[in-house]
Amino acid sequence: GQNIDQPTEMTATEGAIVQINCTYQTSGFNGLFWYQQHAGEAPTFLSYNVLDGLEEKGRFSSFLSRSKGYSYLLLKELQMKDSASYLCAVSRNSGNTPLVFGKGTRLSVIA
Amino acid sequence: EAQVTQNPRYLITVTGKKLTVTCSQNMNHEYMSWYRQDPGLGLRQIYYSMNVEVTDKGDVPEGYKVSRKEKRNFPLILESPSPNQTSLYFCASSLKGPGFGANEKLFFGSGTQLSVL
Repeated sequence: GQNIDQPTEMTATEGAIVQINCTYQTSGFNGLFWYQQHAGEAPTFLSYNVLDGLEEKGRFSSFLSRSKGYSYLLLKELQMKDSASYLCAVSRNSGNTPLVFGKGTRLSVIA
Repeated sequence: EAQVTQNPRYLITVTGKKLTVTCSQNMNHEYMSWYRQDPGLGLRQIYYSMNVEVTDKGDVPEGYKVSRKEKRNFPLILESPSPNQTSLYFCASSLKGPGFGANEKLFFGSGTQLSVL
């Protein structure tokens, strides 16, 4: 089966750094996406990792280890507007194997 | 502006009354998909389409129908809605389908909150 695990909820302080982990066990692996979703809104794309290592994009970075089936999203200099759910999604091989989404991590940023 | 347009944003209906949620994208994307999102269950795929006239079931297709007669449109049809179909629905599209790496990046519509009484 396909399994993606993320913590359900996290809380962090404004200005701090937070790391959201994602572990996966899937049949086939092509790459990993991170999406941000504010409450009641559509998910929006944050990052895509296909090779091992860290991809930095402003305040957000995403890391991938293919051998460990592990990724994390790192958010620096947290702002109140970063309060949202963060979804990781695994891209598998071609054919009838759509993206598999984790259930998401709801991040609350507090003052 | 490149976007996925989904309508309506909110819909309240009664059991058994057929409804259609429309979805249109203006990015010439090949792949389109419908998801439902429920608390504690995350995003679950209902149906997807790899291209025009090609559709297939996702993880939770029961009670839904779709069609892809044109590349840009991918409506979701509930022939006889039931209360367990109360959910937040998202249409999404991507340049390419599964296995195309970054081109599998999904663009989502703004969502339809459906309540079936």
